Amino acid sequence: NAGVTQTPKFQVLKTGQSMTLQCAQDMNHEYMSWYRQDPGMGLRLIHYSVGAGITDQGEVPNGYNVSRSTTEDFPLRLLSAAPSQTSVYFCASSSLNPRASTDTQYFGPGTRLTVL
Amino acid sequence: KQEVTQIPAALSVPEGENLVLNCSFTDSAIYNLQWFRQDPGKGLTSLLLIQSSQREQTSGRLNASLDKSSGRSTLYIAASQPGDSATYLCEVAGNKLTFGGGTRVLVKP
Repeated sequence: NAGVTQTPKFQVLKTGQSMTLQCAQDMNHEYMSWYRQDPGMGLRLIHYSVGAGITDQGEVPNGYNVSRSTTEDFPLRLLSAAPSQTSVYFCASSSLNPRASTDTQYFGPGTRLTVL
Repeated sequence: KQEVTQIPAALSVPEGENLVLNCSFTDSAIYNLQWFRQDPGKGLTSLLLIQSSQREQTSGRLNASLDKSSGRSTLYIAASQPGDSATYLCEVAGNKLTFGGGTRVLVKP
């Protein structure tokens, strides 16, 4: 198993550009989520999905879109990048909603994004 | 709104000393609490998960306790090694998933 994979590992954007961060998992997990990590602030949930075709907003959804057309993939789209979106982005997956189970979340290696 | 705090933000100890990492949370209505390890430039790796009905969990040199009434969890790492150097984060699963800011640990040889 490759686990949770993310591409790219690094990205530099100019303000106003759009891009998609890719996330894939090969563990047949229903639950997937996107977090951003900023210095001293821990991880904050952007969007999550409890299965193909179902997505919902997390704590900081503004400026980001997601879709879940397959169980394996959960891309995160930045519509018009802003310097405030400079951060490290992590994708995670688990077999069930981690709020209601003993299953842990598995995290990808992260994408470091800089918006100039 | 749940707030999760980890103090201190950074900790340095000599090899062999026991590590004590703290996590406090404001809302005791939680499903579970999880401790993660994060190495520089890497993702998070789960260490221990404690259900709300449990008081502690153990794995090797790691022991995590949970006191819901006081809103506290403690991660103990016995006989620390340089390989334990990393950032440790706690995550509280309640109405939402909330992470603490982490404690950066350095174990000096």
